[in-house]
Amino acid sequence: SQQGEEDPQALSIQEGENATMNCSYKTSINNLQWYRQNSGRGLVHLILIRSNEREKHSGRLRVTLDTSKKSSSLLITASRAADTASYFCATDAPSKAAGNKLTFGGGTRVLVKP
Amino acid sequence: DTGVSQDPRHKITKRGQNVTFRCDPISEHNRLYWYRQTLGQGPEFLTYFQNEAQLEKSRLLSDRFSAERPKGSFSTLEIQRTEQGDSAMYLCASSLGTGGNQPQHFGDGTRLSIL
Repeated sequence: SQQGEEDPQALSIQEGENATMNCSYKTSINNLQWYRQNSGRGLVHLILIRSNEREKHSGRLRVTLDTSKKSSSLLITASRAADTASYFCATDAPSKAAGNKLTFGGGTRVLVKP
Repeated sequence: DTGVSQDPRHKITKRGQNVTFRCDPISEHNRLYWYRQTLGQGPEFLTYFQNEAQLEKSRLLSDRFSAERPKGSFSTLEIQRTEQGDSAMYLCASSLGTGGNQPQHFGDGTRLSIL
């Protein structure tokens, strides 16, 4: 079953605009990760935020985490056509047996128009 | 770092046939995961290895599915008596096993189509 729900399911923006997508989850977590997937390809790790962190930056990416609301957001600033992809949040829940398996949301499909 | 490699990239087979996929993780990674992804959905966890030991299997992994990692390096995922519902992208990922908070590195997957 999918732990996370992402919102919106799809997003269409002009190049240069910012893109924001949100993720909600249900259980306690060790960390939350964001991945990008281009059509027909595997997932590329973007950023990992630990449960005791509130905000993290990496280049044009900004991730926030609110564990009290069980939600996270990913902001892509100054978007480019190459940012067109599906973006997934994934949670890593505390479990001795799980070996840090990830539980993914349904993804946000982002289209950046040139 | 050559990344996670999966073979084949695409597999088309008739219902009822057996198929086997291979995953070569990043060499120093001792954790290996298999996920399944259907169109428009996020990946779903199937199974996990730490070195050669298979430590967890999802309920999604019916008895027609078997995975191995015989020497703690590459892994294979076999599906016996394939069914239409097995059509999906099968993704392999690997990570370092040093504590938690390690990102997983994914291969480009094997897309399975059942005729």
